[in-house]
Amino acid sequence: KAGVTQTPRYLIKTRGQQVTLSCSPISGHRSVSWYQQTPGQGLQFLFEYFSETQRNKGNFPGRFSGRQFSNSRSEMNVSTLELGDSALYLCASSLDRGIGGYTFGSGTRLTVV
Amino acid sequence: GQQVMQIPQYQHVQEGEDFTTYCNSSTTLSNIQWYKQRPGGHPVFLIQLVKSGEVKKQKRLTFQFGEAKKNSSLHITATQTTDVGTYFCAGPRQGGSEKLVFGKGMKLTVNP
Repeated sequence: KAGVTQTPRYLIKTRGQQVTLSCSPISGHRSVSWYQQTPGQGLQFLFEYFSETQRNKGNFPGRFSGRQFSNSRSEMNVSTLELGDSALYLCASSLDRGIGGYTFGSGTRLTVV
Repeated sequence: GQQVMQIPQYQHVQEGEDFTTYCNSSTTLSNIQWYKQRPGGHPVFLIQLVKSGEVKKQKRLTFQFGEAKKNSSLHITATQTTDVGTYFCAGPRQGGSEKLVFGKGMKLTVNP
């Protein structure tokens, strides 16, 4: 079966711009979580969606937002980009509540200049 | 807030050696999960442990969940160069949200 698909793979943006990242989970997976990975902070939880509802949220500013569509596909948006937002953004899907583990996508490498 | 700590952060071994890495949580976990991330790759799910004291083996890898469900260990026997990567443990707080909190990871390098 197809894995978790994230687009785009790479992105370069300028400070102050906004960006939208997309994630298509494994078919049948209704839970989608987003993580930010940086060398200094490691994997940090952004938010989790289930059946189009945000179920959990991490400690990130309101510039970070997301949504989930009825087909379980998810998007995350970062507005007013800052240099510190440069990171690998990972999406992970699971059946529900991490049962059987999470399957991660290849990520979107965002560079803010 | 919940914290998950992994020790050591870096491990360098000779091919063929055995070693153990540890994961400690500040809170009781409902389950513990282990992931492996190869250089330039993304985390890949290895295993999930749910029961107190549970032990699971995957070929040369042995995973254990502590009796108090606050710690876990990963033991690798006869390390191979294919084991290279960063190993993460992660778990949701028992009785809390299902938010998965990751440790900072243990980066393994192997000398052939």
